[in-house]
Amino acid sequence: SQTIHQWPATLVQPVGSPLSLECTVEGTSNPNLYWYRQAAGRGLQLLFYSVGIGQISSEVPQNLSASRPQDRQFILSSKKLLLSDSGFYLCAWSTGPRPYTFGSGTRLTVV
Amino acid sequence: AQTVTQSQPEMSVQEAETVTLSCTYDTSESNYYLFWYKQPPSRQMILVIRQEAYKQQNATENRFSVNFQKAAKSFSLKISDSQLGDTAMYFCAFMDSNYQLIWGAGTKLIIKP
Repeated sequence: SQTIHQWPATLVQPVGSPLSLECTVEGTSNPNLYWYRQAAGRGLQLLFYSVGIGQISSEVPQNLSASRPQDRQFILSSKKLLLSDSGFYLCAWSTGPRPYTFGSGTRLTVV
Repeated sequence: AQTVTQSQPEMSVQEAETVTLSCTYDTSESNYYLFWYKQPPSRQMILVIRQEAYKQQNATENRFSVNFQKAAKSFSLKISDSQLGDTAMYFCAFMDSNYQLIWGAGTKLIIKP
């Protein structure tokens, strides 16, 4: 069966520090991968998606970047965090018209 | 561009009652998919139900069912015999021909004991 792992679950980082959030998928090949951000009580904002290794599409210009070094690994990064980067980050995967399956999320607080 | 509208920011019902969450969408595509996701306080996103636009029959999953009106571009979710564990944010989503999901803003559902 397919599983998705996302870590860490919680992160508190100072302004100006780097960020690396990791997401890995098991049990499937060549999935589409997604990074979302969600403010408290709000909807989902698509940040990046990837249809293959090294292929990244950015939906929102921002302080963040994404990489896909392996087929089932998706990384969200920042060189210097801003206060506005605080939020809840969700990774998801899908293939074709299948429903997206989400990781358990990372709560990021920038202080 | 496709859009998804959830017109009810928040709803509250008593336990065991039936509740309907509304969702409308706008698209020029004829073949697509629609989803309802649930996000409880744990913030885990959980698939509730899925509907293929080419299927006339409304999808059902236990206490959850949809009323899919393709001509009206409406996709409402009905929860029967509501339970305390149904308390969550509910998101309606439209999947376009590129398999990208377009999300509604969500409805916060509170089930009262």
